This record gives sequence, structure tokens and C-alpha cells, in this order.
Amino acid sequence: QKEVEQNSGPLSVPEGAIASLNCTYSDRGSQSFFWYRQYSGKSPELIMSIYSNGDKEDGRFTAQLNKASQYVSLLIRDSQPSDSATYLCAVNFFSGGYNKLIFGAGTRLAVHP
Amino acid sequence: DTAVSQTPKYLVTQMGNDKSIKCEQNLGHDTMYWYKQDSKKFLKIMFSYNNKELIINETVPNRFSPKSPDKAHLNLHINSLELGDSAVYFCASSQEWSSGRSDTQYFGPGTRLTVL
Repeated sequence: QKEVEQNSGPLSVPEGAIASLNCTYSDRGSQSFFWYRQYSGKSPELIMSIYSNGDKEDGRFTAQLNKASQYVSLLIRDSQPSDSATYLCAVNFFSGGYNKLIFGAGTRLAVHP
Repeated sequence: DTAVSQTPKYLVTQMGNDKSIKCEQNLGHDTMYWYKQDSKKFLKIMFSYNNKELIINETVPNRFSPKSPDKAHLNLHINSLELGDSAVYFCASSQEWSSGRSDTQYFGPGTRLTVL
């Protein structure tokens, strides 16, 4: 059973702080990792994709990947109330010649002023 | 110029009815997907089509029948609707990479299905 695990939260941080979101996955062979943000009543939208070990930065967002530990994280610097949403970690599993994206249950982030 | 669109946005129907949801993408992607997001917000893949061919079928009841008339469209027909089918259904599309690395999936706005 391919699994992606996230803490459901809520993770509450004050405005301006760093929010740290974590995700673990079960398949050592996974090669593609994604963080999506989903506002209530809306569809998931891509925040970051990461394919190689290490850090990848995009504005206030940094994704970190450690394949040896089967761990991927998302850091949000200078958190804003508009960052309050559910963050979904998604991991690709390759099976039978095709890719399948498995999502974690999501971590709800609340940024308070 | 919406990338992935779905209709309808809301669907309220009685148990036992048959309904369809339509999806279209104008991104030129080869692969399209249907996901179900339940009340606990868990997003789970149901089907995937690549160039009109079914490639993933996640042990979904056969009351659900996807159809892809061309690679820009993927529809979902549901027969004999049950209470447990109430959820938000998302369509998505991506380029398919067969090497084991996958491209970003782009999601439609979702269809909220309520079965009474």
C-alpha cells in the first residue's frame, strides 16, 4: 500500500513567522514530489514541485527533499493570513509503466494576525 | 482561457439517479484524471486516461464509467447514485512522463455532488 503521511493540524502560526509542513512517504522509488495549496471550497493549486534531494526555493516558499529519509517538507517564510489553507503533499508512484499521484490527507495551516 | 474546466459546478440529485460530469482541458496535455475528495478532504485518484486510453482504474465501483472522446475531454458518468457518492469530484490533466518522474497536474474547479 503506497502511503503519504501528513499531520492534519491545524498548525497555527503568528503572522510573520515561519510555517513548517512535513510529509513522509512509503515508496523509496518515488521521484516526483509536489506541494499543493487548497483554499476551502476551491481546487488544489501547485505551490512547488521538487525532484532532487536538497532545497528548492521560490519566493517565500522552500521545499526540502530527503529521499534517504523518505521525507519532504515545505517552509513558508513571513507567513501571511492569506497563507491560511490546507497544504497537500503529493508523491508520485510509478507502477505498470504509468505514474500515479498519491496525496496526503493535508495539513491545515492557520496564520493569525 | 480556463486551463481545466468542469461542468456542472454543483449537482444535487436523488439516490438511484444517473448523472454525468464533463471535463475539458486546453493545455494540450496527454493525460487526464478523475479524483474524488470526500468530506474529510482526502483526495483520491479514481481514473486516469492517456491519449484516450484508460491507464489507471482504482477499484472504483463499476457504476462509475469514464469516457474520453478525445485527449482534451474526459467525462464521468455515474449510474444508480448512492449516498456515499456525495463528494467533490476533481478533473485534472498533465503531461505523462513514462520515465517514472511525473509532471505537474492541473486541477479543474471541481463538481460538488450531493446525493439525497
